[in-house]
This record gives sequence, structure tokens and C-alpha cells, in this order.
Amino acid sequence: NAGVTQTPKFRVLKTGQSMTLLCAQDMNHEYMYWYRQDPGMGLRLIHYSVGEGTTAKGEVPDGYNVSRLKKQNFLLGLESAAPSQTSVYFCASSSLEVEVDAAPNTEAFFGQGTRLTVV
Amino acid sequence: AQSVTQLDSHVSVSEGTPVLLRCNYSSSYSPSLFWYVQHPNKGLQLLLKYTSAATLVKGINGFEAEFKKSETSFHLTKPSAHMSDAAEYFCVVSDPFSGGYNKLIFGAGTRLAVHP
Repeated sequence: NAGVTQTPKFRVLKTGQSMTLLCAQDMNHEYMYWYRQDPGMGLRLIHYSVGEGTTAKGEVPDGYNVSRLKKQNFLLGLESAAPSQTSVYFCASSSLEVEVDAAPNTEAFFGQGTRLTVV
Repeated sequence: AQSVTQLDSHVSVSEGTPVLLRCNYSSSYSPSLFWYVQHPNKGLQLLLKYTSAATLVKGINGFEAEFKKSETSFHLTKPSAHMSDAAEYFCVVSDPFSGGYNKLIFGAGTRLAVHP
């Protein structure tokens, strides 16, 4: 039961370098998300995807790009890293299960996070 | 639009005493509500979820939450705190209908400290 797996777990980048964070889920979920978590600011949505081949911008998309070429994978790219992108990044996935006489089951599953430092 | 307010940014309790973490929400329809816990340097783990007519929801590690529609609240409780409960807790409402995707709306978080 892997759930949601993020790689890498830690990374240090120099300003201007690029990198890609990989998120993989094995639950056949349609929805996938990338969040960043900063002290005192909770989780903020960067980008999301509602299915294979689709992506959309969240609250804080600037400086990031994403791709979802396969349903189980959601990649987050930083083309030119900046110190302001120092953060902890979380990937999540969810389905949308319609329940009879109840609210939909929309539980999200999170990865363990990637701690990124840009110097 | 949906929103979530966690009423306390920090809560401090003694080991063995009750825990109450407060969450209020706003929703134009019957919401799905969740509590997640995040231990230091870890990811978010689901504690419990409300998605049905059962207003009292039991979760892992002895936590439970009561959905009160009239008060638009979903407070998290535990009868007796343990040192291992020290963590940050997030109340989350799911909005699957208004944005074309399953939008998750996070509260700002409540940091729980447990003292011996």
C-alpha cells in the first residue's frame, strides 16, 4: 500500500537551477494536487489536475509548471529556482466517490513531502 | 463559497487532560469535512472524516469530532491527551462542485502542545 509517493525527500538548489519533483499514486485517483507549505501560511495550492493530460493553476502557480502525462504521475517543475521557492512541497491525490444520501467521499491522500531549499 | 476557520492557532494541554480543537465552516450545501494531523517533518495523515448523516465521527488514536449543522462547527476532541498527540492539526472542507474539481479548503492549522 504505497499510496502517494514523492521524490526526492530533500533537495538543495542554487538560484537559477531547475528541478522536477515527482509524485506517484497507486490508487487510480483522478485528481492530483501540488501544495506548498510555509510557516504561518498553511497549505497553498500551486497546480492541480483533474485527469490524465489536464492541468490547471491554483492559488500560487507563478514560477512552477506541471505535467500529467500518465494518470498515476504528477510532475512539478521549477525552471529557474528562486529563494522564495524555499518551502516544503506536498503532493496529494483524491477521487470523487458519490455516496447515496450523503456528501461525496472526497478524502485526499498526501505524500510525505519534499523539503526544498534554494540558496 | 466554502471556507474554514480554525479558532485557535495554538492549544496547550497537560498530558491526560481533554483536548478540544475548534473548527467552523461555511458551506452552501452538505459538506465533506476532514481533520488531518501533521507531526513534525511529516506529511498529513487523515484523522477522521464526515461524509454522512452520522454526526459523531470517530477517528484514529481516540479522536472524535461532532458535526453540528446548526452551529456550522466540526470540533475535534479527545478525552485524554498523550504526549504523542503533539502536532499540527488541520480542518479541511471539500468543495467538489463549484470549481470543476475536488477543491480542498484548509484551515490555518492549530498547533497542539502537550505538557507532562
